[in-house]
Amino acid sequence: DAGVIQSPRHEVTEMGQEVTLRCKPISGHDYLFWYRQTMMRGLELLIYFNNNVPIDDSGMPEDRFSAKMPNASFSTLKIQPSEPRDSAVYFCASSLELGRVDPNYGYTFGSGTRLTVV
Amino acid sequence: AQSVTQLDSQVPVFEEAPVELRCNYSSSVSVYLFWYVQYPNQGLQLLLKYLSGSTLVKGINGFEAEFNKSQTSFHLRKPSVHISDTAEYFCAVGKAAGNKLTFGGGTRVLVKP
Repeated sequence: DAGVIQSPRHEVTEMGQEVTLRCKPISGHDYLFWYRQTMMRGLELLIYFNNNVPIDDSGMPEDRFSAKMPNASFSTLKIQPSEPRDSAVYFCASSLELGRVDPNYGYTFGSGTRLTVV
Repeated sequence: AQSVTQLDSQVPVFEEAPVELRCNYSSSVSVYLFWYVQYPNQGLQLLLKYLSGSTLVKGINGFEAEFNKSQTSFHLRKPSVHISDTAEYFCAVGKAAGNKLTFGGGTRVLVKP
């Protein structure tokens, strides 16, 4: 498996523009997570899905952020309109069920999308 | 609710010296514990995990961690570090009910020659 794949790796956009980040999880993983990482706030969980259904979106900062998972192999995180304070590295991660006794259990992270809003 | 505290935000260490990164957690239920490493400009990579069984867990790159239930700690150690161990290290805790991991604030390790 190629791991969790995120695109694009880097995105520079102007304030007010719509930004869409994409993620392909590992095949067979039940869970998908979106995190944001900044120097000031560290790693923040934005939202996570189980079997394509959003379970907890309490970390989504505001209505400008939305996430979808139309099928088991694809998810998007959209920011509309974008603002300079959204500049961060956005990570997607996928995993199996935490309670499973599986030696391979663990979150697998993608390489991230570095977003810069100017 | 669970929380994770990494007591040191930065740890400078000389090459070939030992290093210990401290992690304490709070949770009212049984937990699973993890250490992740993030190299510059990369995603997080799993170093090791404790799910059950032996409290001494060995991971990749010569790292190990010990789960201490009474002290609610999961400290990470390496007996001899290399320059390539320069990275940020994150401790995380999860519980059996639900699948959400809570991450600590990270410890930045700088290995000096």
